[in-house]
Amino acid sequence: QQPVQSPQAVILREGEDAVINCSSSKALYSVHWYRQKHGEAPVFLMILLKGGEQKGHEKISASFNEKKQQSSLYLTASQLSYSGTYFCGTGYVQAGNMLTFGGGTRLMVKP
Amino acid sequence: NAGVTQTPKFQVLKTGQSMTLQCAQDMNHNSMYWYRQDPGMGLRLIYYSASEGTTDKGEVPNGYNVSRLNKREFSLRLESAAPSQTSVYFCASSETVAVIGEQYFGPGTRLTVT
Repeated sequence: QQPVQSPQAVILREGEDAVINCSSSKALYSVHWYRQKHGEAPVFLMILLKGGEQKGHEKISASFNEKKQQSSLYLTASQLSYSGTYFCGTGYVQAGNMLTFGGGTRLMVKP
Repeated sequence: NAGVTQTPKFQVLKTGQSMTLQCAQDMNHNSMYWYRQDPGMGLRLIYYSASEGTTDKGEVPNGYNVSRLNKREFSLRLESAAPSQTSVYFCASSETVAVIGEQYFGPGTRLTVT
């Protein structure tokens, strides 16, 4: 079952903050976050694992709430380069080596 | 280091025609994946290969077949193309041990079926 992302779209001014949520109806084992710019392939941002281990890069952070089966991606002091569509991919113990991706959140950062 | 490469970049097929999409990675990853992305939508997994010699169905496998030729190469075949298969196809690879690792995506193949 596909995870649900919210909001579907958000418009920011440079320097503003945003939060993107990813919710699952099943118990999560891992959550991946990717960003895709128009006409390009998705690019990895971060992975979060059950138990709290967090990996990632750039000035973007994320959290993983096991009880709520939810992950949130935090973009602070947004830059123009943050524009794109953000996808979460969820991994489940029963699902083996596959991720299920959400529908995406479109983020536009304006000057 | 090319990462993940896909051929062709663009393809137009007529209904009923067949074709194979090629994917290769040079990162020595054990796992490879095929996704499709319809306009304005997320990624849906078609098939994946956790390791050389194994393949498994994803969310939307109907109408497709795959071959993990060796550790580097993973091909996707459409036996009889249908307009519903018009989409962008992405191949990805990752190093997966206990947990699915970071997925590296190829540039995609834009397929139109008329």
